Amino acid sequence: RKEVEQDPGPFNVPEGATVAFNCTYSNSASQSFFWYRQDCRKEPKLLMSVYSSGNEDGRFTAQLNRASQYISLLIRDSKLSDSATYLCVARNQGGKLIFGQGTELSVKP
Amino acid sequence: EAGVTQSPTHLIKTRGQQATLRCSPISGHTSVYWYQQALGLGLQFLLWYDEGEERNRGNFPPRFSGRQFPNYSSELNVNALELEDSALYLCASSLMAGLGYYGYTFGSGTRLTVV
Repeated sequence: RKEVEQDPGPFNVPEGATVAFNCTYSNSASQSFFWYRQDCRKEPKLLMSVYSSGNEDGRFTAQLNRASQYISLLIRDSKLSDSATYLCVARNQGGKLIFGQGTELSVKP
Repeated sequence: EAGVTQSPTHLIKTRGQQATLRCSPISGHTSVYWYQQALGLGLQFLLWYDEGEERNRGNFPPRFSGRQFPNYSSELNVNALELEDSALYLCASSLMAGLGYYGYTFGSGTRLTVV
């Protein structure tokens, strides 16, 4: 079983739609969590950290449920420029970041 | 502030040769991480260096090795190259190892092609 699992997608949505990505992690000792965005053939870029109380950054909302070992990312009012692969990431107790396989999002006009 | 820089951008090698990839972290970052991303696959952890020491190693054969220099820059060496080593090799740095909400900042990668 992979340490961080995501639905690979692709998710094809129209502009303006709300889209949710889900992620589970298997290591209960994981200490912090992140969402990264990766555009085609580019390096991953940090989108946002995920805090226990949930956090929001503009159109993006991240949630963490430690009891269920579940992380989510919600994108509201999606834009064409949101098209990318979204990577769920967990930091294990040794400090190493473990990446999920990524969920591909395609926003269509 | 300069980001994480990697060189070369592209590298073409023949099977059996050796490849050396270089990474300079963000100024002040002491931890350097190497990841491999083969086409269509996720990021696979390779190596982690902090303060000149190897802290952790992923599930890769010993022909993948590296080091970190006193200025915190790092090299990844891949010996006896195989076709399946063709991938994007990403280097990342972070402010500090261990706990905290510090994510990594990635360089733009070295695309290694083995022919």
